[in-house]
Amino acid sequence: SQQGEEDPQALSIQEGENATMNCSYKTSINNLQWYRQNSGRGLVHLILIRSNEREKHSGRLRVTLDTSKKSSSLLITASRAADTASYFCAYRSGGYQKVTFGTGTKLQVIP
Amino acid sequence: NAGVTQTPKFQVLKTGQSMTLQCAQDMNHEYMSWYRQDPGMGLRLIHYSVGAGITDQGEVPNGYNVSRSTTEDFPLRLLSAAPSQTSVYFCASSPDRMNTEAFFGQGTRLTVV
Repeated sequence: SQQGEEDPQALSIQEGENATMNCSYKTSINNLQWYRQNSGRGLVHLILIRSNEREKHSGRLRVTLDTSKKSSSLLITASRAADTASYFCAYRSGGYQKVTFGTGTKLQVIP
Repeated sequence: NAGVTQTPKFQVLKTGQSMTLQCAQDMNHEYMSWYRQDPGMGLRLIHYSVGAGITDQGEVPNGYNVSRSTTEDFPLRLLSAAPSQTSVYFCASSPDRMNTEAFFGQGTRLTVV
């Protein structure tokens, strides 16, 4: 399977703490994206990082990409209860027209 | 502008029945895809389309058919439902298959008994 792996599978933190989740993939990629899924809902796009970028910021989100290690990380700073959700990485590779999703990290932020 | 609309939201089928999950988008996106989501498996690609009249298989296409007669619609057909097809199904669209975000529908929760 070409499915990406994410760790940890689950993460529980206190409000105000930072949350870090990691994604590893198996092929060369064009870009990597992170999505959030609230319970029972569809996925919502958070941020996209291109293969020639190493770091990207958006509000409280920081994404890094290491193409030599085929890995990416998503950092959420100063977490809030509303950040409780599952987070997925997704990537397209080469001329490949398919988007592959990781297995997801379930984040719980305790108020 | 409704985005990506999936119907129905919930469905129960008996083994062997057939049905069509509907997906429509009003953003004039060329790329559309269907995923299934199972616990611990993340999202797995079933079929995708890069434009009207063009479809291709994803990672888990067996037991499913698709067609793309218009840019807006991308229905997913279950030919003969099996309990293994119990899952949550998501439709997604994006303007370009390479470097843009995907927009997701709210999902269809399907149970096959």
